[in-house]
Amino acid sequence: QKEVEQNSGPLSVPEGAIASLNCTYSDRGSQSFFWYRQYSGKSPELIMFIYSNGDKEDGRFTAQLNKASQYVSLLIRDSQPSDSATYLCAVPYSGSARQLTFGSGTQLTVLP
Amino acid sequence: DTEVTQTPKHLVMGMTNKKSLKCEQHMGHRAMYWYKQKAKKPPELMFVYSYEKLSINESVPSRFSPECPNSSLLNLHLHALQPEDSALYLCASSQDSTGRSVYGYTFGSGTRLTVV
Repeated sequence: QKEVEQNSGPLSVPEGAIASLNCTYSDRGSQSFFWYRQYSGKSPELIMFIYSNGDKEDGRFTAQLNKASQYVSLLIRDSQPSDSATYLCAVPYSGSARQLTFGSGTQLTVLP
Repeated sequence: DTEVTQTPKHLVMGMTNKKSLKCEQHMGHRAMYWYKQKAKKPPELMFVYSYEKLSINESVPSRFSPECPNSSLLNLHLHALQPEDSALYLCASSQDSTGRSVYGYTFGSGTRLTVV
């Protein structure tokens, strides 16, 4: 089982729609969860972090965490073409001494 | 502008060359990292430096040699690389290496390495 798994993409949504990105993790000891956005040819950029069960909202982004189900998601409301990028879920994994381990990423395309 | 600076942005080197990648941060972070990222793949951890000491080497071949001269600088020395080593090399830093920081890692813009 992979340490961090993301729903397979690519994902396409029309402009203005809600994009839903999902991630599951295997290490029940993980406490912090991160979402990075990576534009093509660029480096990852941290957009959200969450460490408590429930929802965390920041502008158009909402992160949702369910530790019992080992599930974290990212919702992007009112999606814009500028949101088109690869979204990486990242979790500190005890197998690497709690270093940040990335999921395979979900490529999102927002269609004008 | 990123707070982690990597140089050079692009590097083409032959298999017999020796080159170095450089990374600098001035955020007072005490942990620094090297990641390797191939096209359409997530970043993969190579090395972790914590308080200027190498704490993790993820079974990286010896042709990659990291160095941390001080708390702000991180180098990656390259020697006798193979074409399959061509990738985006990312430097990152964080407050510490415990994995408990809620602020995650800050990445530099990366060095696009091509081995010919």
